[in-house]
Amino acid sequence: EAQVTQNPRYLITVTGKKLTVTCSQNMNHEYMSWYRQDPGLGLRQIYYSMNVEVTDKGDVPEGYKVSRKEKRNFPLILESPSPNQTSLYFCASSTGQETQYFGPGTRLLVL
Amino acid sequence: DQQVKQNSPSLSVQEGRISILNCDYTNSMFDYFLWYKKYPAEGPTFLISISSIKDKNEDGRFTVFLNKSAKHLSLHIVPSQPGDSAVYFCHGGGATNKLIFGTGTLLAVQP
Repeated sequence: EAQVTQNPRYLITVTGKKLTVTCSQNMNHEYMSWYRQDPGLGLRQIYYSMNVEVTDKGDVPEGYKVSRKEKRNFPLILESPSPNQTSLYFCASSTGQETQYFGPGTRLLVL
Repeated sequence: DQQVKQNSPSLSVQEGRISILNCDYTNSMFDYFLWYKKYPAEGPTFLISISSIKDKNEDGRFTVFLNKSAKHLSLHIVPSQPGDSAVYFCHGGGATNKLIFGTGTLLAVQP
């Protein structure tokens, strides 16, 4: 089954404790992306990757890191989480920039 | 700079009637536009798209209209069904490798 998986689905952490949210897709897609969804702000792109070892900043990259060492994986790293990073996070993949397939979301709470 | 705007955060319609969701954009360089639908606790799913060289695209109950001179697009759902109740995001792409989403409109279809 074609899908994008994210782990964990729910995470509660404390300020400053490094965390990683994994994202994996099994569709051999080149383009992968991370978004955060916040009330009233919609979906905002954090980082995207056009292919392996090619990543670039989206609209809200501050406080986040990504890596793309393999085509199927695109982890999101929060080196020192802060409460303003409490949000709902989505990973997505696509063959180009058009129709994207989204993961189920990761709800993060930073205390 | 919000390049894609959905000015109505919510919309309520009666089952069987038409739902019209609107989206305005500022970037004339978008090559295409897409609409995504999002249910609670799930990732967004692709609904319908339109190329910037077209002014209409229809898929079953869903039709997207594009007015380039007004920089406006709209999604029509006819007839609306309770299962259409969700958050709808419009999104422009192609101008850069970034993907810009609107803030979303919550549609509630009343039985």
